[in-house]
Amino acid sequence: DTAVSQTPKYLVTQMGNDKSIKCEQNLGHDTMYWYKQDSKKFLKIMFSYNNKELIINETVPNRFSPKSPDKAHLNLHINSLELGDSAVYFCASSPGKTYQETQYFGPGTRLLVL
Amino acid sequence: AQTVTQSQPEMSVQEAETVTLSCTYDTSENNYYLFWYKQPPSRQMILVIRQEAYKQQNATENRFSVNFQKAAKSFSLKISDSQLGDTAMYFCAFSLRGGSEKLVFGKGTKLTVNP
Repeated sequence: DTAVSQTPKYLVTQMGNDKSIKCEQNLGHDTMYWYKQDSKKFLKIMFSYNNKELIINETVPNRFSPKSPDKAHLNLHINSLELGDSAVYFCASSPGKTYQETQYFGPGTRLLVL
Repeated sequence: AQTVTQSQPEMSVQEAETVTLSCTYDTSENNYYLFWYKQPPSRQMILVIRQEAYKQQNATENRFSVNFQKAAKSFSLKISDSQLGDTAMYFCAFSLRGGSEKLVFGKGTKLTVNP
């Protein structure tokens, strides 16, 4: 009965490869997010979707492409991986309604680019 | 743009004692939320407590309470009766009111509870 789940939990790959991370939430929330946590533990928003529509895109290289097939899923595809993409990527969701701003996080995906 | 500052990169406390983690933020908005998230070594981000800016009463959750000073833009977290399981990174975060707003995080405070 996991609320926000991500797959895979760990991803080790070579520079130049393309990879995807999947996220699913079973909370019935309307909004989903991707955050990146760098090696210094700093967390920063990358994207958010509300009901399958992109609403936040924070100066992220266009090698990163989010896709939301339905409001319960938000996937992150990364092309031509670079060393600097190594990080932990967190998916989160929230109801998407005023006065219900709390975000619930998935377990994170640790990406290591060699 | 909103910013969140946590000035204490690391702190330690003895088991059963009380510790306070500091957080300040900057915004020109009036309607917003503040949060404390905990990240233990397992990496999971866990919500500890949240505060609505329009509420003057400080939020409390069991051993966790906040001191919210809106005019000073300060939002500190007090942990009472510290337990070994409280050892974690603690992140202060800000969100505008609106339902689908992003979280803006501070850089975190690493808290160690010593036996």
